[in-house]
Amino acid sequence: IVMTQSPGTLSVSPGERASLSCRASQSVSTNLAWYQQKPGQAPRLLIYGASARATGIPARFSGSGSGTEFTLTISGLQSEDFAVYYCQQYNNWPMYTFGQGTKLEIK
Amino acid sequence: EVQLVESGGDLVKPGGSLRISCAASGFTLRNVWMSWVRQAPGKGLEWVGRIKTKTDGETADYAAPVKGRFTISRNDSNNTLHLQMNSLKTEDTALYYCTTVGLQFWPSIDFWGHGTLVTVSS
Repeated sequence: IVMTQSPGTLSVSPGERASLSCRASQSVSTNLAWYQQKPGQAPRLLIYGASARATGIPARFSGSGSGTEFTLTISGLQSEDFAVYYCQQYNNWPMYTFGQGTKLEIK
Repeated sequence: EVQLVESGGDLVKPGGSLRISCAASGFTLRNVWMSWVRQAPGKGLEWVGRIKTKTDGETADYAAPVKGRFTISRNDSNNTLHLQMNSLKTEDTALYYCTTVGLQFWPSIDFWGHGTLVTVSS
């Protein structure tokens, strides 16, 4: 299964909303996770099951979608949200496949 | 608090071998499936492999690029995970992360260590 994220880079102003897209080459049901990675840090799980927030993740992060189309929405962007975001499918396990990432930068 | 601390990363020549380790604390390792994920410099994330618990057979699965060259093992009594890497190639150069699988959110990769750097170069 190939995971394709778009856009590669997204420029958004603080306080605005960002929508990041992830597409699977075949259905992964809702077996999809989103991760955030800041420079020099390990990735952090944000969303699992396509829409459930992991422990401690602020409500401004929301995930949606099923099948082959998924979206991560970040509302009211804060400075600490600018990072690289990866989607990952775990439907075709044991093979976990990551998308190539979307860099969210300050406009 | 869940902690995963990788160690053993080094500079290795192509064709060489290396074993890296991950010390786990804050949870009971024997009850948790574990995996390795790598990230080449400036690149994205790539799943390497996963090992089940002893209860589930302690079997491991691997990504195609490393199958037959890498072996994941676990020592639950010492709370340690290992990745034995043989026949290393320059394209194996990466930061290797140790992760839990489904510790809190089954079956996602949920907790990550900070990584250990493996460099394969002549």
